[in-house]
Amino acid sequence: DADVTQTPRNRITKTGKRIMLECSQTKGHDRMYWYRQDPGLGLRLIYYSFDVKDINKGEISDGYSVSRQAQAKFSLSLESAIPNQTALYFCATSDHGGETQYFGPGTRLLVL
Amino acid sequence: GENVEQHPSTLSVQEGDSAVIKCTYSDSASNYFPWYKQELGKRPQLIIDIRSNVGEKKDQRIAVTLNKTAKHFSLHITETQPEDSAVYFCAASTYSGAGSYQLTFGKGTKLSVIP
Repeated sequence: DADVTQTPRNRITKTGKRIMLECSQTKGHDRMYWYRQDPGLGLRLIYYSFDVKDINKGEISDGYSVSRQAQAKFSLSLESAIPNQTALYFCATSDHGGETQYFGPGTRLLVL
Repeated sequence: GENVEQHPSTLSVQEGDSAVIKCTYSDSASNYFPWYKQELGKRPQLIIDIRSNVGEKKDQRIAVTLNKTAKHFSLHITETQPEDSAVYFCAASTYSGAGSYQLTFGKGTKLSVIP
């Protein structure tokens, strides 16, 4: 779905570095989410936001932080990256009801 | 919180056969159950969903059934084709306050359709 975009699409970084993943959407949705996907573990929720002033921790928020700069933008930061944060990261959006979620193309992150 | 179990983790079928993927959930308050398909290297995309007031829903070759009493729901794909090969995720929606819901996903099933 071209309405949800993520940058960068691929990133290699070193242990201890700070890194930011960005998500933008043109769907006009107020709900935004960050998930992490690991093989065999499915999609696990890191953080979610219901509007610009609302930030909530998900299942696996330790080691991550987020910023909702505007309704259309939601960024995920790794303050000090570690190798077990190597994963595929997806941003998703939903409308007010929050049930059907639309995913971005994903960011593949490798932490060396 | 909600816990969603999905089985099997891998499934191989011959082209033209049917495939069934099953999920169970723990929170009896969950009332919305979507299924997502993720092709290799692509994003998850919604293929079908069902709400708790409905027992079955069909869309061409795919169908979903829901048993609220037993807290399980299933995805059925008939007349499978090679393009059905993908990872399929089930999910359950639970209320997270302020009129909004959160999805809890199963761990996924890798379906391979053998030509």
